[in-house]
Amino acid sequence: GIQVEQSPPDLILQEGANSTLRCNFSDSVNNLQWFHQNPWGQLINLFYIPSGTKQNGRLSATTVATERYSLLYISSSQTTDSGVYFCAVALSGGYNKLIFGAGTRLAVHP
Amino acid sequence: NAGVTQTPKFQVLKTGQSMTLQCAQDMNHNSMYWYRQDPGMGLRLIYYSASEGTTDKGEVPNGYNVSRLNKREFSLRLESAAPSQTSVYFCASSVGNARETQYFGPGTRLLVL
Repeated sequence: GIQVEQSPPDLILQEGANSTLRCNFSDSVNNLQWFHQNPWGQLINLFYIPSGTKQNGRLSATTVATERYSLLYISSSQTTDSGVYFCAVALSGGYNKLIFGAGTRLAVHP
Repeated sequence: NAGVTQTPKFQVLKTGQSMTLQCAQDMNHNSMYWYRQDPGMGLRLIYYSASEGTTDKGEVPNGYNVSRLNKREFSLRLESAAPSQTSVYFCASSVGNARETQYFGPGTRLLVL
């Protein structure tokens, strides 16, 4: 089956720093989503981005579908950005069944 | 507009007991999903319903059954709970079954003793 690998697994930042999270996937996809799971366990949709670039405030994401990777950029990080960031994909030609990566655990310290 | 709601929020069961997790969405979505999340891992798909009246297995269906009661509601049943089913269960929905954003509920934390 499709493999979804996220890096780095853990990241510690000082408030105000920038970071880049990466998601590699092993097959063609027609859905790619980035989620933030906050410390209370809630999954928050960040981006639906099977290809191209999107921005939302301090966050932006780029997916290069032909090279099978996606990047999530966090600028001027805040303590509220802490939590786990998941990338999830669904295979092209199939139902919208998301396969999740193992996540990147981010801790932002003041 | 509540989005995706799940009940209960937390449940403790003894091995062998049964229970049903409830999920409802008010976004008029056609597709609904059940996932489980084990500690330190990403979510894995248990079952999904591409549209009202249809259900199909996901990655980890063993030990579970589902019912798509109507367009709004999708329930997950554990007939005989096992400690290996201790997990956090998330329900999600999307407009359709391809190329669509999935929206997640708040989760149900289940502990099986």
